[in-house]
Amino acid sequence: SQQGEEDPQALSIQEGENATMNCSYKTSINNLQWYRQNSGRGLVHLILIRSNEREKHSGRLRVTLDTSKKSSSLLITASRAADTASYFCATDRQGGSEKLVFGKGTKLTVNP
Amino acid sequence: EAGVAQSPRYKIIEKRQSVAFWCNPISGHATLYWYQQILGQGPKLLIQFQNNGVVDDSQLPKDRFSAERLKGVDSTLKIQPAKLEDSAVYLCASSLNFVSGVDGYTFGSGTRLTVV
Repeated sequence: SQQGEEDPQALSIQEGENATMNCSYKTSINNLQWYRQNSGRGLVHLILIRSNEREKHSGRLRVTLDTSKKSSSLLITASRAADTASYFCATDRQGGSEKLVFGKGTKLTVNP
Repeated sequence: EAGVAQSPRYKIIEKRQSVAFWCNPISGHATLYWYQQILGQGPKLLIQFQNNGVVDDSQLPKDRFSAERLKGVDSTLKIQPAKLEDSAVYLCASSLNFVSGVDGYTFGSGTRLTVV
């Protein structure tokens, strides 16, 4: 079963704009991760945020985590055409066996 | 470092046939996962290995799917007999124990299976 639910399902923006994707989940977690998937390819790990962290940055990526609301957001600043991909959040549930449960993803299109 | 290797890249079979996928994880990664990703959905975990032992196979359809990880390195996933609904991308991933929370999983490029 899927733990995370990304919102929106699809997002289309112009190059240079910021893109924000949200993820909600159901159970308590150890950490939450974001992955990118280009069409027809495997997933690439972007960033991991632990349950005791509220915000994390990596280059043009900013991730926030609100454990009280069981939600996370991924912000991509100054987007580029190369950012076009599907983005998935994945959670490692507390008490689980260190396995990631993925959401359905947000399909981001950045128009040049 | 070399990534997670998977083969074949693509496979087309008829329903009721059998198929096998192979995965070679990153050297030293103790944990190996097989995920199924149906078009338009997120990956769903099929089975998780820690070294050569199964940690979680609760979502593996055991009447038709089997997997093994001999010697705690390479792994194979088999489907026999295949059904139309097995059409999907099969992703292999490996990780160190990520309780330390550093690198996440490393995924292979996947095997795209089409059952006709």
